[in-house]
Amino acid sequence: GQSLEQPSEVTAVEGAIVQINCTYQTSGFYGLSWYQQHDGGAPTFLSYNGLDGLEETGRFSSFLSRSDSYGYLLLQELQMKDSASYFCAVPNTGGFKTIFGAGTRLFVKA
Amino acid sequence: NAGVTQTPKFQVLKTGQSMTLQCAQDMNHEYMSWYRQDPGMGLRLIHYSVGAGITDQGEVPNGYNVSRSTTEDFPLRLLSAAPSQTSVYFCASSSPGTNGNTIYFGEGSWLTVV
Repeated sequence: GQSLEQPSEVTAVEGAIVQINCTYQTSGFYGLSWYQQHDGGAPTFLSYNGLDGLEETGRFSSFLSRSDSYGYLLLQELQMKDSASYFCAVPNTGGFKTIFGAGTRLFVKA
Repeated sequence: NAGVTQTPKFQVLKTGQSMTLQCAQDMNHEYMSWYRQDPGMGLRLIHYSVGAGITDQGEVPNGYNVSRSTTEDFPLRLLSAAPSQTSVYFCASSSPGTNGNTIYFGEGSWLTVV
């Protein structure tokens, strides 16, 4: 089976850096993805790590350590619009069955 | 480009009623899925399909049926609605090998069963 754990809530101030962690247990591993969801909206893809290391996309970065079954999403220069829920997700073999973590609600304060 | 389109956006059902949530995608994606989202529980996979004519169960399939007669369409049927099925439903599609199988979601369907 597959399971993912991430914190339920994180609070940070505007302009700061925040890290959202995700640990996973899977029978096989085919990468770790991150999705963002604003209230009332649909989840949207942020990043994907198939190999160990850091992937950077603008203010967002994602890190993966396969040996530790661990990854994180790093958000820099936080803005109010970053207030949202963030989900880590892992696909199964073939990628047609993706399981999501319960999500981390990020509150950005002025 | 419409992406993934699902209807209706809002629906209220009485216990025992049946209904179908419609989902269509125009990206020619092989994979399609239905998720439900409840507070504090993230997205849970209901059913998925790897191509026309092929469907399988996800994490929480009970009370739901699906079919995939075409690549584009993947309707979700509630046969006899129960209050426990009050949730937000998301249809999604993806294609193998694209950036970790990036999933594209529809805008969601808010279902209330009374």
